[in-house]
Amino acid sequence: DGGITQSPKYLFRKEGQNVTLSCEQNLNHDAMYWYRQDPGQGLRLIYYSQIVNDFQKGDIAEGYSVSREKKESFPLTVTSAQKNPTAFYLCASCLAGGPNEQFFGPGTRLTVL
Amino acid sequence: AQTVTQSQPEMSVQEAETVTLSCTYDTSESDYYLFWYKQPPSRQMILVIRQEAYKQQNATENRFSVNFQKAAKSFSLKISDSQLGDAAMYFCAYRSGLGANSKLTFGKGITLSVRP
Repeated sequence: DGGITQSPKYLFRKEGQNVTLSCEQNLNHDAMYWYRQDPGQGLRLIYYSQIVNDFQKGDIAEGYSVSREKKESFPLTVTSAQKNPTAFYLCASCLAGGPNEQFFGPGTRLTVL
Repeated sequence: AQTVTQSQPEMSVQEAETVTLSCTYDTSESDYYLFWYKQPPSRQMILVIRQEAYKQQNATENRFSVNFQKAAKSFSLKISDSQLGDAAMYFCAYRSGLGANSKLTFGKGITLSVRP
């Protein structure tokens, strides 16, 4: 079945460690997105990519990095520079342009101890 | 920059009744798209309904319909015959119609509870 997978579902890391969250899609979508969700904050855009080998910062990019070497994959690295990394992270993808909806993965809950 | 406001953090509805969730947005653009997403306790985001700004007719999807007031920049979601499975967080989202950029701006969400 086509869809978006994120792994792992739960992730625990010690403070000061970098961690990479995986996002893979087999929907042949051009655009991919990373959001952070905190209680009472809605979804906030971290990074997005409209095409392979290109990506742009979203509203809260500081302390995060991404790569887009393949169309199917858009991993997110949470670096030690991110002050409050504990959150729920959602990956999404869609066809570019038009009223096309974004499809979401199941999310990764990151807890930094 | 565009903003999306959902001013009610929580709402409650009796099963089988109708409830309306409010959303307002701010934009200077004339071409855009609006979405309502549902996030149940599983936290999987699901599209409920979408509206193209150039369409005057309000979108409907089974028990879900919108009241789109372009001049007032209002986009409310009406859920008819509420069911227990409708209990979730609901997010309103905006996307510009300019170019191929399809990033969404979300509101903070509203938690809907359904009383049996």
